[in-house]
This record gives sequence, structure tokens and C-alpha cells, in this order.
Amino acid sequence: EVQLVESGGGLVQPGGSLRLSCAVSGFTVGSYAMSWVRQAPGKGLEWVSVFSVGGEITYYAGSVKGRFTMSSDNSRKTLYLEMNSLRAGDTAVYYCRRDYGDYWGQGTLVTVSS
Amino acid sequence: DIQMTQSPSSLSASVGDRVTITCRTSQGIRNDLGWYQQKPGKAPKRLIYAASTLQSGVPSRFSGSGSGTEFTLTISSLQPEDFATYYCLQQYSYPWTFGQGTKVEIK
Repeated sequence: EVQLVESGGGLVQPGGSLRLSCAVSGFTVGSYAMSWVRQAPGKGLEWVSVFSVGGEITYYAGSVKGRFTMSSDNSRKTLYLEMNSLRAGDTAVYYCRRDYGDYWGQGTLVTVSS
Repeated sequence: DIQMTQSPSSLSASVGDRVTITCRTSQGIRNDLGWYQQKPGKAPKRLIYAASTLQSGVPSRFSGSGSGTEFTLTISSLQPEDFATYYCLQQYSYPWTFGQGTKVEIK
């Protein structure tokens, strides 16, 4: 069974860093394109980043480019989102997603506030 | 970046009504568009991919159409469980972009 479980969210001060994890089961991260999508409280969905099949190519939304880095550990079956220079506008629930078959995690909340 | 214009932003409808939601893109995207449903506190769920292909397990009252720059999601007969927010997503070019969302409420 395919499952995705995010973790690592929490409260962080502006300018701080956080690393989100997405543990997967039922498949290997490197075999599928994977994405992060976020949703600010009461707002719409925003696509954040994507990892190509094999993880050789990544793309980022302009709002996070240069601050966020997506990576994976295929042996641990985990996808990561390293977030630096966090701003209040990054406050959101972050979802990891496998596009093929449309599988989503339950989301993890990141709050950037002093 | 491709800009998405989704309309309406909200609508009120009754059970049994036919509902149509439109998504327009700032440039042609062939048929690289999906439609998603989201209920409060839950992750989104894809209903349609490739503009008109029904995701496995999704009721046939949902349908999608369009190509190029104009796309439509239609719910042929609204059911109580369909009250939710709907989003389109273009996957033609990076960065992928979502529409602003359409909240479907009970009339």
C-alpha cells in the first residue's frame, strides 16, 4: 500500500530553518516524480517544488527558489524539504505528493513567527 | 510563469444541480491540466487528469473538458459529499501553478 507521512513541522522564528521529511512506503522515492505543495491558513494551494524521476532535476516556485532545497534518501525511503531564511509568508501546511496515482501525505504545519 | 484564472471563486448550489467551474491559462498548455477537490482539514484529491480523464474511483458525475487555454470541470448532479473547494493545476511547464480555487457551498 502506498503511504506518505510528513513530519518536521513546527514553530520557527523568521530567518530560521527547518527540515521537513516525507517517509514513504509501498514504493521507492527515486522511481517517481515527487512534489511539495503548501497551503497557507485559509488560502489556496501553492505548488512549491518537484523532484524528477531519479531525483536528477528539481524545480522550485519563484517564492522559495534559493531558500528551499528538495532532496531524497532512497535507502531510507524519505523525501526532504530543507527550508532556510523562513518568512511569515511561508507559514502553511506542507504536503508531499506523488503525482503518479495522486498520493498525498496528511500534511505538516509550519508556523513562522516571533 | 503560466497564470491561472479560475472562476467563479465561489458558488451556491443545491443538491441535484449541474455545476460548472472554468479555468483559463495565460498560454496554451495542451491538455496538461488536472482538477482537484479539497475538503476542510484534508489533503486534496485529484478528480481529473489530462483535462478529461477521470481518476480511478471518482464518480462519473464529474467530467472535465477543454484544451489549450480554457478548461471546464462539470459536476452533472451535485451530491451532498461534493460540497468542497475545487482547484485546477497546470503541469505543462514549471513552475506548476494552481488556480485560485472555487468553493462550492450549499444553497
